[in-house]
Amino acid sequence: DQQVKQNSPSLSVQEGRISILNCDYTNSMFDYFLWYKKYPAEGPTFLISISSIKDKNEDGRFTVFLNKSAKHLSLHIVPSQPGDSAVYFCAASVLLLSYQLIWGAGTKLIIKP
Amino acid sequence: EAQVTQNPRYLITVTGKKLTVTCSQNMNHEYMSWYRQDPGLGLRQIYYSMNVEVTDKGDVPEGYKVSRKEKRNFPLILESPSPNQTSLYFCASSLGQLQPQHFGDGTRLSIL
Repeated sequence: DQQVKQNSPSLSVQEGRISILNCDYTNSMFDYFLWYKKYPAEGPTFLISISSIKDKNEDGRFTVFLNKSAKHLSLHIVPSQPGDSAVYFCAASVLLLSYQLIWGAGTKLIIKP
Repeated sequence: EAQVTQNPRYLITVTGKKLTVTCSQNMNHEYMSWYRQDPGLGLRQIYYSMNVEVTDKGDVPEGYKVSRKEKRNFPLILESPSPNQTSLYFCASSLGQLQPQHFGDGTRLSIL
């Protein structure tokens, strides 16, 4: 049973508009969440993270929102640019308990010109 | 340049022939990890290491071995590879649990 789910395998967004990528989790013990971005033939690269003591974290065009009661997080990219076309993974961890990261299956974001 | 280097990048081999995928990082990171990526499943952690001589199982350790004799190297060993280990493998490292992981570019293994 997947503990971290990204239910949209792909998402297409017009350049300049907002991209919203969603992630749901089932384990209420998760208290640290990360988003990674992956281009073809490369390893994932870290984008942004959030701990459960916050409900929002912002870094430039990227904002992550965490809704603990719904066990849901989302990544907002504003404005979307062609270079944002990639696969986005969310990952979750239980701090101080384990070094394990549990990953979602990824969402392929396509930015249309 | 700070990097995680995996070798080989591609390998086609046969069932039962032992193989090793090397991973080396030049950032003096304590934490290293191996993942496999399969379609529809995302990344699944195979093994991780918190420091030299300290390793632990991830979600899918069966059929794999690791060792951490030096801080910079974390090889992944398949003693008797089988076709279900055909996958894309990533090595990663970080300073610690709260720090973002740096990934290698991946190793695509095909076991026939």
